[in-house]
Amino acid sequence: DTGVSQDPRHKITKRGQNVTFRCDPISEHNRLYWYRQTLGQGPEFLTYFQNEAQLEKSRLLSDRFSAERPKGSFSTLEIQRTEQGDSAMYLCASSPLAGLSTDTQYFGPGTRLTVL
Amino acid sequence: QQPVQSPQAVILREGEDAVINCSSSKALYSVHWYRQKHGEAPVFLMILLKGGEQKGHEKISASFNEKKQQSSLYLTASQLSYSGTYFCGTERTVQGAQKLVFGQGTRLTINP
Repeated sequence: DTGVSQDPRHKITKRGQNVTFRCDPISEHNRLYWYRQTLGQGPEFLTYFQNEAQLEKSRLLSDRFSAERPKGSFSTLEIQRTEQGDSAMYLCASSPLAGLSTDTQYFGPGTRLTVL
Repeated sequence: QQPVQSPQAVILREGEDAVINCSSSKALYSVHWYRQKHGEAPVFLMILLKGGEQKGHEKISASFNEKKQQSSLYLTASQLSYSGTYFCGTERTVQGAQKLVFGQGTRLTINP
């Protein structure tokens, strides 16, 4: 399978715990995005990497959220001291570096987080 | 600012046609269309890059009216497999990359 993969697919945690999600983009895709999606809504942008550099963070990303992409391959999204409001589907997408043209973003299956 | 999709939901019988609209209060440079089935990832359908562009993908096509700042997705002779939630995404350039701002989605249900 050469698509975007995410792990785990589901995570149930208690309020206050830390969680970490992993995303493996399509091989050779330089750009990686994290989105959050709540029920009945479209995906909302969280952050973006070009190779290993994190170039943009949404205001939705509080200090409890941190994302990394060491070596410019897979990425991790960590949420510290989870709150019930963090319950959502966390989607990862990747796209190739294509110069000035618009890229297609390919989404992974997502990690569904439930905070009890 | 989030694009606005209409209608919010559509129920069709197999074989019927549907139109889903996506409009923005800001100038559009491109529109990305995705379909998402329950519990699955959004799947890319097509990108429209410039005003007046139309694209087709089997019986699913789309148009882009730059002046009206809107795009429409057309599904003809709908099939059961077309069921899902359709999202349009508009582009906000972030240091050369395309951050997508998605509409709230249009839920399409196809009944036999």
